[in-house]
Amino acid sequence: GAVVSQHPSRVICKSGTSVKIECRSLDFQATTMFWYRQFPKQSLMLMATSNEGSKATYEQGVEKDKFLINHASLTLSTLTVTSAHPEDSSFYICSAPADSYEQYFGPGTRLTVT
Amino acid sequence: QKEVEQNSGPLSVPEGAIASLNCTYSDRGSQSFFWYRQYSGKSPELIMFIYSNGDKEDGRFTAQLNKASQYVSLLIRDSQPSDSATYLCAVNIGGSGYSTLTFGKGTMLLVSP
Repeated sequence: GAVVSQHPSRVICKSGTSVKIECRSLDFQATTMFWYRQFPKQSLMLMATSNEGSKATYEQGVEKDKFLINHASLTLSTLTVTSAHPEDSSFYICSAPADSYEQYFGPGTRLTVT
Repeated sequence: QKEVEQNSGPLSVPEGAIASLNCTYSDRGSQSFFWYRQYSGKSPELIMFIYSNGDKEDGRFTAQLNKASQYVSLLIRDSQPSDSATYLCAVNIGGSGYSTLTFGKGTMLLVSP
């Protein structure tokens, strides 16, 4: 099946700093990628849809100036959490569709803001 | 508002039994339905998907879809301890092209040896 990677797998940062998370499709091209956030014992919540070569589409309630998304190539999307605060601590997961409907998930990035 | 509802569980079954996981969805325009398994601390992995009313079988797993009742289920036969995980139901309204998934909160399954 299609493979999606994420880097880093874990990151700890201090409050007020910014963190960049990378999502790569390794063996296919992805014009669209999705970014999710999952808090403990909660479901995946879609944050935004990343579109190659154009602006990301953010879900209601997600601050686009805080969660910067760049999809500069067909295999890479990045999510930057700016001025991170402890409430941003979460499990961030990206996914990419490799065919019409199925999405392949990256392994996730555990962000802890101290 | 699109909603996907699942019983949070935990659902406890003995090894070898059939586990039945249920999911309801609110949007009648939903077209495709997915079951993902998520182990603690890991990202979801796709188990199977279903588009048409009826049953779809893949090994020990059977997905059942009833669009009239807006209900989708997953049966796991001969449950194994390794099946212990949270099972997420996801719904895609979709038409052509890529559409977003709406996830339920998941049902935790515990299979005891």
